[in-house]
Amino acid sequence: DQQVKQNSPSLSVQEGRISILNCDYTNSMFDYFLWYKKYPAEGPTFLISISSIKDKNEDGRFTVFLNKSAKHLSLHIVPSQPGDSAVYFCAASARGGGADGLTFGKGTHLIIQP
Amino acid sequence: ETGVTQSPTHLIKTRGQQVTLRCSSQSGHNTVSWYQQALGQGPQFIFQYYREEENGRGNFPPRFSGLQFPNYSSELNVNALELDDSALYLCASSLTSGLSTDTQYFGPGTRLTVL
Repeated sequence: DQQVKQNSPSLSVQEGRISILNCDYTNSMFDYFLWYKKYPAEGPTFLISISSIKDKNEDGRFTVFLNKSAKHLSLHIVPSQPGDSAVYFCAASARGGGADGLTFGKGTHLIIQP
Repeated sequence: ETGVTQSPTHLIKTRGQQVTLRCSSQSGHNTVSWYQQALGQGPQFIFQYYREEENGRGNFPPRFSGLQFPNYSSELNVNALELDDSALYLCASSLTSGLSTDTQYFGPGTRLTVL
């Protein structure tokens, strides 16, 4: 029973264009959502997060949108750069990331084409 | 400020053996969580430690156990290793204040291979 789903295993985007990564969740108790980026042979690196009381959070080239009624969130990267090529994980938690830990999706491999 | 570090980087064990993995938390963090990442999957929550006590646990059997020390470093112990335990083990540290835990920051992981 996957509570966090990333339905696109991979995504190819041209450099300079917008990358949109999607994530769906089923657990209505989730109230905090995060995106992590992972390069091979490294641990996940925190990118951006959003609390369920907001519907948008922006940090430089990265924007996360949350649609609570649809239980859907997305990460927008604009403009996409070659260094953005990595696996992106969506994660969710209840109680602000407390003792239940983070629940991750399976990841989306983003490939930025020159 | 130092980040989260883990040791060893790689480890090879045989089925039935026991293994201990180590993690040093980021400076100022008082909470450590452990995750298992199998190939092609997202990380799965094993457990979390706060103030040297287990604070939450995912769907992992008791042969997965842990410790957190007064300096907030941590160990993950796995007994009676099985082939399916082969995975990347990730440690994440965070700051717990009151009832909420801040963003978790991950170490580079330990790659465990069970033969």
